[in-house]
Amino acid sequence: EVQLLESGGGLVQPGGSLRLSCAASEFTFSTSAMSWVRQAPGKGLEWVSALSTNGGATYYADSVKGRFTISRDNSKNTLYLQMNSLRADDTAVYYCAKYNGGAVAGRYLDHWGQGTLVTVSS
Amino acid sequence: EIVLTQSPGTLSLSPGERATLSCRASQSVSSSYLAWYQQKPGQAPRLLIYGASTRATGIPDRFSGSESGTDFTLTISRLEPEDFAVYYCQHYGSSPSLTFGGGTKVDIK
Repeated sequence: EVQLLESGGGLVQPGGSLRLSCAASEFTFSTSAMSWVRQAPGKGLEWVSALSTNGGATYYADSVKGRFTISRDNSKNTLYLQMNSLRADDTAVYYCAKYNGGAVAGRYLDHWGQGTLVTVSS
Repeated sequence: EIVLTQSPGTLSLSPGERATLSCRASQSVSSSYLAWYQQKPGQAPRLLIYGASTRATGIPDRFSGSESGTDFTLTISRLEPEDFAVYYCQHYGSSPSLTFGGGTKVDIK
């Protein structure tokens, strides 16, 4: 069974940084495009970022562009999200999810991790 | 940018009843690129339907999806206790970005 385990969440002050990790197992990580999706408390789902199988192509929501960086280490089966210049409205549960294939466009998210909570507050 | 509008916001039904959830797209979308997810409190979303009408692996056949133009529908034929949750539709077209609807909560009447 596909496993995605996020870590790295926590409390951070506005303007601070945090790096999330997502450890993947039970599937061929290097052939799956990956994504981060977030959910603010009591709100709906918001796509944050995605990247291709080799990390060469990255995509971001306008709300995080220039502040967040997505990356992956296929040798470690791990996805990352570096979050800088954090704001209160970045407070959310961040989910790691895999696409149903190696492409980003035209693909849906077929497995999700349990999420990690990021709270931005002074 | 495509906007997905889900209705109703909340659907109050009893176990055994039929649930009909709507997702309307702001412009024409290919039915091949519409998915539905279920999310229970404290849990991650789970894929139910992709391609507007294809059930994901392990999803019971009481869940079905359909489309008519820019209107997409998720139907739960007979609600089981474990079906009370929030449901999201999602468009995953040629653009790398993903668009989610605002969600419909199905709660117990």
